[in-house]
Amino acid sequence: SQTIHQWPATLVQPVGSPLSLECTVEGTSNPNLYWYRQAAGRGLQLLFYSVGIGQISSEVPQNLSASRPQDRQFILSSKKLLLSDSGFYLCAWSVQGPWETQYFGPGTRLLVL
Amino acid sequence: AQSVAQPEDQVNVAEGNPLTVKCTYSVSGNPYLFWYVQYPNRGLQFLLKYITGDNLVKGSYGFEAEFNKSQTSFHLKKPSALVSDSALYFCAVSSPSGAGSYQLTFGKGTKLSVIP
Repeated sequence: SQTIHQWPATLVQPVGSPLSLECTVEGTSNPNLYWYRQAAGRGLQLLFYSVGIGQISSEVPQNLSASRPQDRQFILSSKKLLLSDSGFYLCAWSVQGPWETQYFGPGTRLLVL
Repeated sequence: AQSVAQPEDQVNVAEGNPLTVKCTYSVSGNPYLFWYVQYPNRGLQFLLKYITGDNLVKGSYGFEAEFNKSQTSFHLKKPSALVSDSALYFCAVSSPSGAGSYQLTFGKGTKLSVIP
């Protein structure tokens, strides 16, 4: 069966510091991978998605970036965090196709102070 | 552009009563519709989806949803609510978005509270 991991689970960072959040998927090959941000326990905002190694599409211009160095690894980064980057970050995977379910990881709670 | 509306921020229901969480959508072409549930500080869990065929879709934990094309709705239902059903529920719609990817557009979520 497939499993998706995210770490760290919780992170407190000062404004201006760098960020690296990691997501890995087990039990599948060539998945689509997604990064979402959820603010204030409500709506999800798609940040990035990837259909293959090195292929990243950005949905929202901001100071975040994403990379996919391996087939089942997806990394969310920032060089300098802003207060507005605080939120709950969720990684998800799916196989390709419009009817395919996206499966979510446990999330990372980021607080920027 | 595709969109999803969940008109109720919060739904309260007594334990044992039927529950309904509403969702309407807008998308060009055939809609692929999903329901997810989120417990506090957790990721989203998939409940059910509609692709084609029977308008009544059955999913996990006794939930079901009814696809209504004329009303562009996909309401989530359960015949008898449990206290453990209290959570945040998201409706989502999918459509092609180029480059081989299919993006989900989520509603803003409905908080369900089941009162003992």
